[in-house]
Amino acid sequence: DQQVKQNSPSLSVQEGRISILNCDYTNSMFDYFLWYKKYPAEGPTFLISISSIKDKNEDGRFTVFLNKSAKHLSLHIVPSQPGDSAVYFCAALLTGGGNKLTFGTGTQLKVEL
Amino acid sequence: GAGVSQSPRYKVAKRGQDVALRCDPISGHVSLFWYQQALGQGPEFLTYFQNEAQLDKSGLPSDRFFAERPEGSVSTLKIQRTQQEDSAVYLCASSLSWDQPQHFGDGTRLSIL
Repeated sequence: DQQVKQNSPSLSVQEGRISILNCDYTNSMFDYFLWYKKYPAEGPTFLISISSIKDKNEDGRFTVFLNKSAKHLSLHIVPSQPGDSAVYFCAALLTGGGNKLTFGTGTQLKVEL
Repeated sequence: GAGVSQSPRYKVAKRGQDVALRCDPISGHVSLFWYQQALGQGPEFLTYFQNEAQLDKSGLPSDRFFAERPEGSVSTLKIQRTQQEDSAVYLCASSLSWDQPQHFGDGTRLSIL
């Protein structure tokens, strides 16, 4: 049972344009969400997070939006840069449940020149 | 170094052998996590330590998997009588406290022949 889903395995965007990565979850008890970025042969790197009490969090070029009623979150990258090319993982957390992260399967983002 | 360090980076073992994977968390980080990442999938939770106490081992796939963190810093994940399905990247993560983002090491890629 995949509790966190990233239905797009890959996404290709032109440099300078917006990248939108989507994530859906099924467990309504999740109350904290994170995005991680992963380059080949490296571990995931924390990017940005959002608590379920908010609907938006922004950090530089990265913004995460949360729609609790739809159990959906998205990561917006504006403007996209070639160095953003990586696999992006959405992860969810139940803060009272031991803090283990439940990850999606990832979306491979390619930013083309 | 300042990050989470894992060793070895690569491990090849024959089916039936025992293996031990090491994780050096960021100094001062109380929480330590182990995840297993199969090819094309997101990381999946294995176990969680707070200092030396193993608070959650619900993700360990069988009793062949054992983890310890005897002094509350370095952790070892041991897999006994390895099987081919154990082939994966094993990721270690640490965090300053339960409410802080987890920082990942680069993982150990385990291949069972």
